[in-house]
Amino acid sequence: GAVVSQHPSRVICKSGTSVKIECRSLDFQATTMFWYRQFPKQSLMLMATSNEGSKATYEQGVEKDKFLINHASLTLSTLTVTSAHPEDSSFYICSARGLAGGIDTQYFGPGTRLTVL
Amino acid sequence: GNSVTQMEGPVTLSEEAFLTINCTYTATGYPSLFWYVQYPGEGLQLLLKATKADDKGSNKGFEATYRKETTSFHLEKGSVQVSDSAVYFCALSEVERGYQKVTFGTGTKLQVIP
Repeated sequence: GAVVSQHPSRVICKSGTSVKIECRSLDFQATTMFWYRQFPKQSLMLMATSNEGSKATYEQGVEKDKFLINHASLTLSTLTVTSAHPEDSSFYICSARGLAGGIDTQYFGPGTRLTVL
Repeated sequence: GNSVTQMEGPVTLSEEAFLTINCTYTATGYPSLFWYVQYPGEGLQLLLKATKADDKGSNKGFEATYRKETTSFHLEKGSVQVSDSAVYFCALSEVERGYQKVTFGTGTKLQVIP
């Protein structure tokens, strides 16, 4: 079945550094990719939506200069957290939407746990 | 805007007990409704969905019926197992600004004890 992978699964970094998270759709081409952030014991909050080859659309309150999203191909999107701070520590989940087995649906990646020291 | 409200957890049940997790929604149009499950340390997996009123989604013994009149999509299972312990998210999907946007509830943690 369709799979969405994320790399890395866990990352620990120092405050002030930048971290890149990759999201790949396997076995299908993702026309749209979504990035979510999940705080402990809370729901997923949509950060941004990106279509291949175009700029991402950010949700209100999400800093586009801090959370850089690139959707370079139909199977790869990256989220870069620039100048990370401890408050950016969170679980980041990507999702890819496309036709998999002829069905238009949205699949979620396993998530990336970011810890900023 | 759209929103999803689900019962707060955690919910603790004994094995083979009956499960209900309530979910209600508000939406401007006619959304599709979903239940997702998140096992510890993993991402979300689609559990079941319903795309129109009175549809019943079912999978792995879980089921939920799209009730437009009560704007609800309650999740039920007749006999839970320890392996069902996870966080369950109710969600709706609607086209917004030309693409499907998914809105999630806050999640309900289910713990099943032997």
